Amino acid sequence: GNSVTQMEGPVTLSEEAFLTINCTYTATGYPSLFWYVQYPGEGLQLLLKATKADDKGSNKGFEATYRKETTSFHLEKGSVQVSDSAVYFCALRNQGAQKLVFGQGTRLTINP
Amino acid sequence: DAGVTQSPTHLIKTRGQHVTLRCSPISGHKSVSWYQQVLGQGPQFIFQYYEKEERGRGNFPDRFSARQFPNYSSELNVNALLLGDSALYLCASSPGPIGGTGELFFGEGSRLTVL
Repeated sequence: GNSVTQMEGPVTLSEEAFLTINCTYTATGYPSLFWYVQYPGEGLQLLLKATKADDKGSNKGFEATYRKETTSFHLEKGSVQVSDSAVYFCALRNQGAQKLVFGQGTRLTINP
Repeated sequence: DAGVTQSPTHLIKTRGQHVTLRCSPISGHKSVSWYQQVLGQGPQFIFQYYEKEERGRGNFPDRFSARQFPNYSSELNVNALLLGDSALYLCASSPGPIGGTGELFFGEGSRLTVL
């Protein structure tokens, strides 16, 4: 079946540090891949997405590249800020499917 | 513009009771999906409705049911509550069937505690 595995958290970094949150997936066919973010007290919101192999999604300084050969979609940011503290979810949607399949989430805390 | 709104935000029930959760999508959105998020896990798909018809169902027992109204709002019903039903229930809307952009707009959720 389809599944998403994220690196276990929580992750704690200092401001301006480099961030990587690993995400790998198992899917039949060619899924679309997503990163959603949940800030404290808010609903999940789409951070970025990629719909085919080698696509790079980017938003708010975050990037992730769809790597079919390694079935990965790692999230990166060159210099994190305190305001990036949140829970990050990697997700996939298979072609024609009506649902998103989420990873377990990674809690990120950035200290000033 | 109002986002996805859910009610109630918090509720406590006892085992065996029934619960109804409500969701209003973003204006103009015709699709509503429901997800269950157990503490420490990612959201799990329960249902998707589009134009008042069920378009997808996750691996949940028949105690879970939902419907969508002509104004595109939705209700999630859970009967015979179990302790394991304690979770954050998320509603998400999208303009059309999720097969489009794949982006969902989530509400803040209804936190259900079953004692």
